[in-house]
This record gives sequence, structure tokens and C-alpha cells, in this order.
Amino acid sequence: DGGITQSPKYLFRKEGQNVTLSCEQNLNHDAMYWYRQDPGQGLRLIYYSQIVNDFQKGDIAEGYSVSREKKESFPLTVTSAQKNPTAFYLCASRGWGTEAFFGQGTRLTVV
Amino acid sequence: RKEVEQDPGPFNVPEGATVAFNCTYSNSASQSFFWYRQDCRKEPKLLMSVYSSGNEDGRFTAQLNRASQYISLLIRDSKLSDSATYLCVVNDNAGKSTFGDGTTLTVKP
Repeated sequence: DGGITQSPKYLFRKEGQNVTLSCEQNLNHDAMYWYRQDPGQGLRLIYYSQIVNDFQKGDIAEGYSVSREKKESFPLTVTSAQKNPTAFYLCASRGWGTEAFFGQGTRLTVV
Repeated sequence: RKEVEQDPGPFNVPEGATVAFNCTYSNSASQSFFWYRQDCRKEPKLLMSVYSSGNEDGRFTAQLNRASQYISLLIRDSKLSDSATYLCVVNDNAGKSTFGDGTTLTVKP
């Protein structure tokens, strides 16, 4: 089945630690996106990538990093520089001119 | 000013009511537009695309006004199952995909 998979579903991090969230898609989509959602709020764009080995900052990129070494994969690292990382993280992919498809999300909690 | 702005809501309506959501965007070069539905603690899912000529899917009608840079979603004969948050999405010509903050709809018996 084609789709987009995020893992893990729940993640707990100690303050000061970096953590990497996985996002994989087998939809052959060129573009991939990372969004952050806080309770009762909308989606805010962190990073996006249109093509392998290229990515752009979104509206809230500080404290995050990404890589796009393969078309299928777009991992997001939440670094210790991100001061308030507890949130729901959503990854999406889309083909040219089409709608975005989302993974089921990762809930990150700093403990 | 935000790139994509939605009606703040929340909207609380009785079953059978008609409700409309509006969304404005600032980038005149925006290329494609969509409405998504998000249930509590779930990922957003596509509700419908929005075309310049307007489009309808059952009880749902979406419209785009490029001159005024807004899109709308009309829900007729609201059902309890329509209760959710509705998000508008605007894609620009550089691949950026921006969501509005969402409008929450609660349909009551």
C-alpha cells in the first residue's frame, strides 16, 4: 500500500537532547514537508523540500534541522536549541500540483 | 499579516444548518488551493480541492475568488459527523504549502 509513515508515534525526550523524527513515503512524491501543531492551534511550516539534496526553511525553522538524501525520506531533528519542543509533528508529501498526504504524526514530549 | 488567514471560529450550529467558512491568502502567485478536515488528535485529511469555477461534492461546495484572494467552503445540511476543524491550504509556485489556523465546527443535535 502506498502511503507516508511517521515514527515513532510517541516520543519522550529529556531536556538538552537532540531527537530525530522519521518520515518515509512510497508515493514517489517529490515534495515533502514538516509541520508543527500545538494544542488548539494550526499547522506551522518548519522545513520543506522540493527535491533530493535541497530543502528550504519554513516559518519556524529555528532549533530544527532536516536532510533529504533520498526521495523517500525526510527526517527531522529537533535540537537542544529548540526551547519549546513539546508538540505534535506532522510530515506530509505531495506530487506536482496535487494535494498533500499526511503521516499519522509524532507526539513529542520533553520530560 | 499571516499568509493564510481563516475565520477564527468556533462555529456551533444545530444539525441541518448551513455553515460557511472563509479563508484569505496574501500571495497573488498562489497556484492551488484545498480544504482539509482534521479530527481531534489526528492528521489532516483532504476534504476537497478548490477550483476557480467552483466545485461541489455532495453537501460541500468550495469556491475560489482569485481577484479578491479568498476561498470558501459551504456545508449544507450539517451532520453531527461534520464536527471537526477545517483547514484551508494554499500552495505557491515555489512549492511552499501553507495552512490556515483552522476553524472548528461543532454540530449539535
